[in-house]
Amino acid sequence: AQKVTQAQTEISVVEKEDVTLDCVYETRDTTYYLFWYKQPPSGELVFLIRRNSFDEQNEISGRYSWNFQKSTSSFNFTITASQVVDSAVYFCALSETHGSSNTGKLIFGQGTTLQVKP
Amino acid sequence: GAVVSQHPSWVICKSGTSVKIECRSLDFQATTMFWYRQFPKQSLMLMATSNEGSKATYEQGVEKDKFLINHASLTLSTLTVTSAHPEDSSFYICSATDLLYEQYFGPGTRLTVT
Repeated sequence: AQKVTQAQTEISVVEKEDVTLDCVYETRDTTYYLFWYKQPPSGELVFLIRRNSFDEQNEISGRYSWNFQKSTSSFNFTITASQVVDSAVYFCALSETHGSSNTGKLIFGQGTTLQVKP
Repeated sequence: GAVVSQHPSWVICKSGTSVKIECRSLDFQATTMFWYRQFPKQSLMLMATSNEGSKATYEQGVEKDKFLINHASLTLSTLTVTSAHPEDSSFYICSATDLLYEQYFGPGTRLTVT
């Protein structure tokens, strides 16, 4: 069965610190997609990244970076120089695939609540 | 980018009544729509998969007679919570996929049953 584990329930950092959110997944699919979403207090999910299982290249987008390692089934997310506006719940998610296509059905991790203090 | 809307954004209803939540893809045709439920401080759990013109597929443990899903067109899916009870109070989020299986989430509907 597919599963996503975010072992860190809550993380608290002081502004400007770097923080890494862990995500470990389980799947038997050879093709799959991994996602990170941000959920601010308003509740609306904000898409951050989608990664195809065949693309293990790390990605950087501004202060955000992602480390995908198939060998350890991990897809960790790092925020560099954190800011108060980064405070939110962050979800890692895994998609089911049909052939090589993402079906859209997502399995979410438990979420990590990040609090960045000024 | 593609936009998915939900209506209403929040609703309060009395126990025993039914409430309908709409999910619309505003600028694309959604081949599939998904309904998720999120209890406070918990993760999103998939409730059902909805395809236009066919019956919804419910996840294990989700009562199909209680959570009625209708996907009447390629841009609209509705979730009706029938005979709502306080334990149905939750945040309901829909998502829609386009022909390329790109997925877009709605802003969510907060349901409170008193």
